[in-house]
Amino acid sequence: DAGVIQSPRHEVTEMGQEVTLRCKPISGHNSLFWYRQTMMRGLELLIYFNNNVPIDDSGMPEDRFSAKMPNASFSTLKIQPSEPRDSAVYFCASSFPMGGSESEAFFGQGTRLTVV
Amino acid sequence: AQSVTQLDSQVPVFEEAPVELRCNYSSSVSVYLFWYVQYPNQGLQLLLKYLSGSTLVKGINGFEAEFNKSQTSFHLRKPSVHISDTAEYFCAVSETSKIIFGSGTRLSIRP
Repeated sequence: DAGVIQSPRHEVTEMGQEVTLRCKPISGHNSLFWYRQTMMRGLELLIYFNNNVPIDDSGMPEDRFSAKMPNASFSTLKIQPSEPRDSAVYFCASSFPMGGSESEAFFGQGTRLTVV
Repeated sequence: AQSVTQLDSQVPVFEEAPVELRCNYSSSVSVYLFWYVQYPNQGLQLLLKYLSGSTLVKGINGFEAEFNKSQTSFHLRKPSVHISDTAEYFCAVSETSKIIFGSGTRLSIRP
């Protein structure tokens, strides 16, 4: 398996524009996580899905952020409108809890977002 | 609710010296514990994990961690570090499939 695949790797956009980040989890994994990493706040969990259903979105900063998982092999994180403070590295991760929560998360390479 | 605390944001050590990176957690139920490593401009990779059984867990690259339930700790150790261990290390806790990370510890190795 190629691992968790994220696209794009880098994104530079102007303030106010819509940004869409994409993630393909590892085949067979049924949990998917979106994290945001910044120097100031570290690694924050934004939202996670189990079997394509959002379970906990309490980490989503505000209404400008939305995430979807239309099927088991694809998820998007959208920011509309984007702001400079959204600049960060966004990671997608997937896991396969084997009857519990003991499976580790496998991370993608991340998308480095810069909003100017 | 689960949480993870990494007390040291940075740890400088000399090459071939031992190192310990501290991690404390809180949770209302049984948890699973992990250590991840992040090299510059890369994603996170699993170093080791504690699920159950022996409290001393061995991972990749010579790292090991000890689960201490009474102290709610899961400290990471290596007896002799190498320049290639320079990276950021994250402790994580999982319950009910939600995985929460600590703030990270940056390990810098001096020759």
